[in-house]
Amino acid sequence: RKEVEQDPGPFNVPEGATVAFNCTYSNSASQSFFWYRQDCRKEPKLLMSVYSSGNEDGRFTAQLNRASQYISLLIRDSKLSDSATYLCVLGGRGSTLGRLYFGRGTQLTVWP
Amino acid sequence: GAGVSQSPSNKVTEKGKDVELRCDPISGHTALYWYRQSLGQGLEFLIYFQGNSAPDKSGLPSDRFSAERTGGSVSTLTIQRTQQEDSAVYLCASSSTRGTSGIYEQYFGPGTRLTVT
Repeated sequence: RKEVEQDPGPFNVPEGATVAFNCTYSNSASQSFFWYRQDCRKEPKLLMSVYSSGNEDGRFTAQLNRASQYISLLIRDSKLSDSATYLCVLGGRGSTLGRLYFGRGTQLTVWP
Repeated sequence: GAGVSQSPSNKVTEKGKDVELRCDPISGHTALYWYRQSLGQGLEFLIYFQGNSAPDKSGLPSDRFSAERTGGSVSTLTIQRTQQEDSAVYLCASSSTRGTSGIYEQYFGPGTRLTVT
């Protein structure tokens, strides 16, 4: 079983829409969680870390549900510039503390 | 400030040749990571450095792959006797620990696109 599972999409939404992505993870001991975005043929860029209490950054809200082992990302008022692949990422723990485990990503296209 | 830089940005090599990829981390970041991303695939961890030592190199796919880091800064990833399946984008990231939480927010360089013909 993969460490991180995501719906690959694609999600195609109009500008101004609200869209939500979920991902599930297998290691219940995981302690750090992130969302990255990756534009075509570019490197991943950190979008936000995900904290236990949930956190918000402008139009983006991240939630963590430890009991169900899933992480969500909500994007409100979608912009054309939000079109990208969104990567759900877990930090390692113990002997794998230094590594990140990446989901395959969810593709989002925002159309005018 | 300056981000993570990598060189070369593109490398085309013949099967069987050796290649060296370079990474300059963000100044002051103690941890450095190598990943690779094959076409249409997710990111695959290769190796992690804390300072000059590599506590976790379990992601290196074979003994043809090696990496070193000197002076707690620049790192090189070497692939010997390249094979076509080594073709991928090789990404480097760096981080510093944040307090006692151990949250490693990693920042990526632009990558080196390696093509083995």
